[in-house]
Amino acid sequence: GAVVSQHPSRVICKSGTSVKIECRSLDFQATTMFWYRQFPKQSLMLMATSNEGSKATYEQGVEKDKFLINHASLTLSTLTVTSAHPEDSSFYICSASSGTGSSPLHFGNGTRLTVT
Amino acid sequence: GQNIDQPTEMTATEGAIVQINCTYQTSGFNGLFWYQQHAGEAPTFLSYNVLDGLEEKGRFSSFLSRSKGYSYLLLKELQMKDSASYLCAVRDSNYQLIWGAGTKLIIKP
Repeated sequence: GAVVSQHPSRVICKSGTSVKIECRSLDFQATTMFWYRQFPKQSLMLMATSNEGSKATYEQGVEKDKFLINHASLTLSTLTVTSAHPEDSSFYICSASSGTGSSPLHFGNGTRLTVT
Repeated sequence: GQNIDQPTEMTATEGAIVQINCTYQTSGFNGLFWYQQHAGEAPTFLSYNVLDGLEEKGRFSSFLSRSKGYSYLLLKELQMKDSASYLCAVRDSNYQLIWGAGTKLIIKP
């Protein structure tokens, strides 16, 4: 089945630093990837839709200058959390679909970000 | 606005059957998905319904009624490992996924 790889799985960083999270579709081409954030005991919150070769589409309330998304190829999207603060600590999950219609979203294993 | 409703939490007994309901109001409909999410992990795909009726996959079945804006996920022969959150998501007319808040299922011995 379709596999999405996300790296790193855990990262601890100091306040003010930047963190890059990679999301790769391993066995299919993903023209669109999605980045979610999930706080403890809450549901998934879509942050942005990443389109290969074009600018990402951000959801309302998500700062595009803080959460930089790059989708340079059909198999790789990156999310960079710039100048991280403790309130950015969360579980970040990427997902991709191999097509439309019945194709489900396949999720990466997520990245647990802790900002100290 | 678009909305998906599912119970916040349910409790069931090991070996029993549980039904998790999901109702939705969305701009158009292009399929409904059920995902399972264990604590601290990413969601995993369980089922997809786009036509009315029941889809069975092992111990898990999913039902859809488009006219009622209603779906349920049925879990049979519950096991302790089924303790997780179950997320209902609907793809709208723009192929955007609208997510429910999830139902936390607690399995007791």
